[in-house]
Amino acid sequence: NAGVTQTPKFRILKIGQSMTLQCTQDMNHNYMYWYRQDPGMGLKLIYYSVGAGITDKGEVPNGYNVSRSTTEDFPLRLELAAPSQTSVYFCASSELWGNRDRNNYGYTFGSGTRLTVV
Amino acid sequence: KNEVEQSPQNLTAQEGEFITINCSYSVGISALHWLQQHPGGGIVSLFMLSSGKKKHGRLIATINIQEKHSSLHITASHPRDSAVYICAVGAWAGNQFYFGTGTSLTVIP
Repeated sequence: NAGVTQTPKFRILKIGQSMTLQCTQDMNHNYMYWYRQDPGMGLKLIYYSVGAGITDKGEVPNGYNVSRSTTEDFPLRLELAAPSQTSVYFCASSELWGNRDRNNYGYTFGSGTRLTVV
Repeated sequence: KNEVEQSPQNLTAQEGEFITINCSYSVGISALHWLQQHPGGGIVSLFMLSSGKKKHGRLIATINIQEKHSSLHITASHPRDSAVYICAVGAWAGNQFYFGTGTSLTVIP
């Protein structure tokens, strides 16, 4: 049981390049999320998904796209990288609201992707 | 104006001390999270709660919905508790999800 796996761990992009951050979970969680964390700032939600085929925007979706073709995978796409997208990106997953037998609803984070756009 | 305010921002404690970190929020919520981020950057979810109190080992989280306030308590603190503790509030599934900037805790042996 690997939990939430993010790849790559580090990446340097040039302005205007594209890339996909991969995220996969093996816990059969319905909910998945992408966050970014900027230095000295709190985490911000980029996109989330409540199940396969369903995605919705978070607080800071501009410049990103997501897809959720399977329960396991939730990739984040940057089409035209900009320096403002330099950040650490975290993927997370969690159980349904009704599953309250654990303290944290199984909320699990990936180890993060440190992205620099130059 | 931040929707989620944490205090203190930084906290240094001696090993064994009882620690309290506070979180106040200004929006209506469905749930509140406490997260722990270690120096290496990894994030662990400690609690998600919508009312009352939850306990796990030496950690206790409480929430008062009327007062829009939550506390995270650590009993018998240990150097391995040194981390940044983050409070977050939001709907379970929605784009209104707000994070505090964290409380940096250092526990000295």
